[in-house]
Amino acid sequence: GDSVTQMEGPVTLSEEAFLTINCTYTATGYPSLFWYVQYPGEGLQLLLKATKADDKGSNKGFEATYRKETTSFHLEKGSVQVSDSAVYFCALRNFGNEKLTFGTGTRLTIIP
Amino acid sequence: DTGVSQNPRHKITKRGQNVTFRCDPISEHNRLYWYRQTLGQGPEFLTYFQNEAQLEKSRLLSDRFSAERPKGSFSTLEIQRTEQGDSAMYLCASSLSQPNQPQHFGDGTRLSIL
Repeated sequence: GDSVTQMEGPVTLSEEAFLTINCTYTATGYPSLFWYVQYPGEGLQLLLKATKADDKGSNKGFEATYRKETTSFHLEKGSVQVSDSAVYFCALRNFGNEKLTFGTGTRLTIIP
Repeated sequence: DTGVSQNPRHKITKRGQNVTFRCDPISEHNRLYWYRQTLGQGPEFLTYFQNEAQLEKSRLLSDRFSAERPKGSFSTLEIQRTEQGDSAMYLCASSLSQPNQPQHFGDGTRLSIL
């Protein structure tokens, strides 16, 4: 079945550091890929998405590129802020299927 | 856009009791989803509706769980004879039915079984 593997956390970085959170997936067919973010005490929010190979999703300075050859969708940001502290979830939705399959999440803490 | 609303935010109950949660989706969204999230894990799909029709159910949804969306608007998720293992965050999401539409999540209902 479909699955998502995320870099284990927690991850702690200093403000303005470069961020990478790794995500790889296993899926039959051609999934769409997503990153969701969960701030403390809040629900999941869609951060960015990509629907086909080589697409780059971007939002709020975060980027991720859909790499079919490596089945990856790594999340990156060039300069993190304290306000980026949250739990980040990578997810996929396979073509013709409505459910999202999530990774286990990566807790990110940014220290000033 | 008032977002997806879930009630209650927290529910504490004794083992063996029945509980019901409510989800109000974004008004123009005809798809509604339920997920369960346990501590340290990502959300797991339970079921989804298109309008009032329940189109898919996960095998995680045991016989003690039932979900309804009687008028194609709000939905309820009921758990009968709760067990310790039911303790989790129950998340609701909604979306439009066109291709590649994102799912928008509510803040969830946290269930604690004593």
